[in-house]
Amino acid sequence: GAGVSQSPRYKVAKRGQDVALRCDPISGHVSLFWYQQALGQGPEFLTYFQNEAQLDKSGLPSDRFFAERPEGSVSTLKIQRTQQEDSAVYLCASSLDLPGALDSPLHFGNGTRLTVT
Amino acid sequence: LAKTTQPISMDSYEGQEVNITCSHNNIATNDYITWYQQFPSQGPRFIIQGYKTKVTNEVASLFIPADRKSSTLSLPRVSLSDTAVYYCLVGGLILTGGGNKLTFGTGTQLKVEL
Repeated sequence: GAGVSQSPRYKVAKRGQDVALRCDPISGHVSLFWYQQALGQGPEFLTYFQNEAQLDKSGLPSDRFFAERPEGSVSTLKIQRTQQEDSAVYLCASSLDLPGALDSPLHFGNGTRLTVT
Repeated sequence: LAKTTQPISMDSYEGQEVNITCSHNNIATNDYITWYQQFPSQGPRFIIQGYKTKVTNEVASLFIPADRKSSTLSLPRVSLSDTAVYYCLVGGLILTGGGNKLTFGTGTQLKVEL
């Protein structure tokens, strides 16, 4: 496909369950980002990968959040023991080059809407 | 980290030109200015990017004054389908990680009516 693909599109989890959210970036893109977007707010940075290396995870809200990108392509965001405050849209974005490089904008998927009940 | 400030919302009518201004008083020398558009239930989509003066593409223009402390996204002859949230981002090339420099604000909700 030509764009960033995320799955599932919607996820409902009971509080305390673990969830895994998948992101398929555009082929060949070096950079991969995860963002969390609450209703009515802008996307909030969670973590950033350069190829397989997780270079910035300063935005992860707690140690229940874990992300990986083992082969420098597909990435998974895992949330353990989900809480109601984790309910949000989780967006994945990729870019061809390093963050902020000219002519290397972020390409976003349509997100996974997580609802924790 | 250059903080950005935008109006929370704007209203317009079809066929009008819309200008959305973003303030970024502490922009750094190597920072670019990038605008994204987001529709409900979709991820943000790149609109335009610039460094200084004026940039124009098929959907918008971006005006950046000489001091670069603000920028204005101009949408010519808007239609109902331009109703969306518009985000201004400021950031430069990051060579050593630090992906959180690409930070979104709360954006500007543009509503276009007939």
